Amino acid sequence: DTEVTQTPKHLVMGMTNKKSLKCEQHMGHRAMYWYKQKAKKPPELMFVYSYEKLSINESVPSRFSPECPNSSLLNLHLHALQPEDSALYLCASSQEDRSSYEQYFGPGTRLTVT
Amino acid sequence: GENVEQHPSTLSVQEGDSAVIKCTYSDSASNYFPWYKQELGKGPQLIIDIRSNVGEKKDQRIAVTLNKTAKHFSLHITETQPEDSAVYFCAASLLPRGNYQLIWGAGTKLIIKP
Repeated sequence: DTEVTQTPKHLVMGMTNKKSLKCEQHMGHRAMYWYKQKAKKPPELMFVYSYEKLSINESVPSRFSPECPNSSLLNLHLHALQPEDSALYLCASSQEDRSSYEQYFGPGTRLTVT
Repeated sequence: GENVEQHPSTLSVQEGDSAVIKCTYSDSASNYFPWYKQELGKGPQLIIDIRSNVGEKKDQRIAVTLNKTAKHFSLHITETQPEDSAVYFCAASLLPRGNYQLIWGAGTKLIIKP
């Protein structure tokens, strides 16, 4: 199973809402990532978790709050977002033992902030 | 910091012809160069990668070449097929220290004309 799943596929939220994005993988990967992708642009790294600990935060605003409850799950909690936060949010995972550097991406959550 | 330039931004080729996408990187210490393919509605998927101790790598119709002196690397797709239509991203990274952080090119939209 080389699949990363993300829910929901689409999300529309107002600026005062609180919502969460979910990501799951069962490949035994110990590194998990959140990326933001705007239309016609490459993915931008937001957060990296390594062995369930936050190892990289690319100066992301606090209205985005990541959480890694266990080695298979990754959440992104959203609160008080701005319209410019509308984008495709991608989750990815990779091995930590450096036998492979491939990042496996999920299909993404298309977020619209109104 | 590292910067990756990718050209062209759009490439249209006749089915059966070859396609070449080129990338240039700025940090001579970079040693890992993956290529990702992103189809509409999906997350990026690794199609081939190369490390700096290798000059060329092939996988069926896909090949990547690396010129460390010139800091160029290229993706070659032969005998293009309609399913090759997608956005292709090159990236660069410094392993093992930077194995989470890929510096992405801007992307190339490849269109295969029937």
